Amino acid sequence: DAGVTQSPTHLIKTRGQQVTLRCSPKSGHDTVSWYQQALGQGPQFIFQYYEEEERQRGNFPDRFSGHQFPNYSSELNVNALLLGDSALYLCASSLVTGTGLRLAKNIQYFGAGTRLSVL
Amino acid sequence: AQSVSQHNHHVILSEAASLELGCNYSYGGTVNLFWYVQYPGQHLQLLLKYFSGDPLVKGIKGFEAEFIKSKFSFNLRKPSVQWSDTAEYFCAVNGNNNDMRFGAGTRLTVKP
Repeated sequence: DAGVTQSPTHLIKTRGQQVTLRCSPKSGHDTVSWYQQALGQGPQFIFQYYEEEERQRGNFPDRFSGHQFPNYSSELNVNALLLGDSALYLCASSLVTGTGLRLAKNIQYFGAGTRLSVL
Repeated sequence: AQSVSQHNHHVILSEAASLELGCNYSYGGTVNLFWYVQYPGQHLQLLLKYFSGDPLVKGIKGFEAEFIKSKFSFNLRKPSVQWSDTAEYFCAVNGNNNDMRFGAGTRLTVKP
């Protein structure tokens, strides 16, 4: 039973470039959430995808966008990279069990992350 | 807006010492609470969770946490730590908006 897998493991980009990160959820899961973890900080929620739609979004600019595919895998895209975008990007998957607060009862399983360095 | 505060940035203990890591949150509605652990070189793993019911919840590896609603707290405890508990510990809160908020983390170092 595969856990959450992310690719690539590491990535180096320069300012202004665009990047795409990929995530395959744990088997049986249908929801993917993305987080940014800067050095020395906790993960910050970027957005969550379910049924191929963005359901919730954190306080991140429109440069951050995503997509979910019919097989539940997901991509995170970041345009016009800034130095401050350097971070560990985490993907978490879960199985939706309801709506509203019940939606929040699901447990999120995390991947190992993609380390993005912007030079 | 939701926020989570973890009181200690770095805690250093000797083996067999007792552990308590503080976590306070700010949120106006009903919340679900989590503690995640990140061992060196590994991904985040769920340690324990609180959804409802008994405010004292038990997790893996002998950890437990107590939800005190009046204090907006969800402190993590372990009676006797081991060297293998060396890790980073994150408290997290999830509410109706389903955007999980994490604390900044507490790094625990256990000396053998």
